[in-house]
Amino acid sequence: QKEVEQDPGPLSVPEGAIVSLNCTYSNSAFQYFMWYRQYSRKGPELLMYTYSSGNKEDGRFTAQVDKSSKYISLFIRDSQPSDSATYLCAGKTGANNLFFGTGTRLTVIP
Amino acid sequence: GAGVSQSPSNKVTEKGKDVELRCDPISGHTALYWYRQSLGQGLEFLIYFQGNSAPDKSGLPSDRFSAERTGGSVSTLTIQRTQQEDSAVYLCASSLATGGFNEQFFGPGTRLTVL
Repeated sequence: QKEVEQDPGPLSVPEGAIVSLNCTYSNSAFQYFMWYRQYSRKGPELLMYTYSSGNKEDGRFTAQVDKSSKYISLFIRDSQPSDSATYLCAGKTGANNLFFGTGTRLTVIP
Repeated sequence: GAGVSQSPSNKVTEKGKDVELRCDPISGHTALYWYRQSLGQGLEFLIYFQGNSAPDKSGLPSDRFSAERTGGSVSTLTIQRTQQEDSAVYLCASSLATGGFNEQFFGPGTRLTVL
């Protein structure tokens, strides 16, 4: 079993829709939870991170972590065509490497 | 400032050949990481360097894979006797420090195709 599970999609939504991306994880030692965005033929770039449980908001993006259910979510409001990318969730213990989900490919249709 | 750079961007090789992939981290970043991204597998951790030493090599899939880092900067990932299952995008990342949360900045990757 992978440490982080993510539905690969693909997911297509119309411009302006609210997007919900989700992951589950199995490693109880995860302390940090991250969302990366990866455009085609590029490396991933950090979108948001949270420490432990709770919510974090940054503009149109909201990250949620529920450690009791081992569930990680990213919400995108008022989605734009420029949000079209692959979104990767990741967990990190106190050590150094990241454990990634497989990524969800999102397309926002104008 | 410059981000993480990797070379070559694409590499096509024949089965059984050796390949070397290069990573130039962000200047001043002490930690360097190698990941592999395969279709349907997501990013898999390979190895991490703190300075020139590699405290965690747990992700290297076989003894055909090795990596080194010199001068606390450039790193090379070497794959010997390449196999078709080695075909993937190899990503390098660097961070300012380790422990806690230290953002890992990724390079664009090297796309390796083994024929």
